Amino acid sequence: RKEVEQDPGPFNVPEGATVAFNCTYSNSASQSFFWYRQDCRKEPKLLMSVYSSGNEDGRFTAQLNRASQYISLLIRDSKLSDSATYLCVVSSNQGGKLIFGQGTELSVKP
Amino acid sequence: EADIYQTPRYLVIGTGKKITLECSQTMGHDKMYWYQQDPGMELHLIHYSYGVNSTEKGDLSSESTVSRIRTEHFPLTLESARPSHTSQYLCASSQEDTQYFGPGTRLTVL
Repeated sequence: RKEVEQDPGPFNVPEGATVAFNCTYSNSASQSFFWYRQDCRKEPKLLMSVYSSGNEDGRFTAQLNRASQYISLLIRDSKLSDSATYLCVVSSNQGGKLIFGQGTELSVKP
Repeated sequence: EADIYQTPRYLVIGTGKKITLECSQTMGHDKMYWYQQDPGMELHLIHYSYGVNSTEKGDLSSESTVSRIRTEHFPLTLESARPSHTSQYLCASSQEDTQYFGPGTRLTVL
């Protein structure tokens, strides 16, 4: 079983749709959680950190459920420019190291 | 935007050549990382460093080596390149848990 598992993609949605990505992690000692975005053939870029209380940044909402070891990302009113692969990322218990999920590809169509 | 740089961005080289991929960051981060990523596949950690004169092997076995003589510089070397080394190599740095990535080096070994 992988340490971080994400929904298999790709997700193909029309502009304006609401999209939800799900992620589970196996290490209950993990302390930090992130969503990164990776465009085709580019480097991953931090989209947002995920906090226990949940957090929102514009059209993006991230939630964390430590009891279930579950992380989610909601994108509202999706834009063409949201098309990318979204990576769920969790800290390991070896300081500084991160564990990356395999990513879920999103394709937003006009 | 993170100040982390990689050179070269693209490299095509013949089998058996020695190559060094450069990575530099100007943020004063103690921790630096090298990842390998094939197209459409997951990121795999191959080396990391927690500071000067500290280097560790990552989760994916790699024939490459690294050095950390200066805080800002974390080069990766392949003594004898082979076609199986063809991949994208991504460097990252962090102070706490959030990692910032360089643009990557796309290596092709013929």
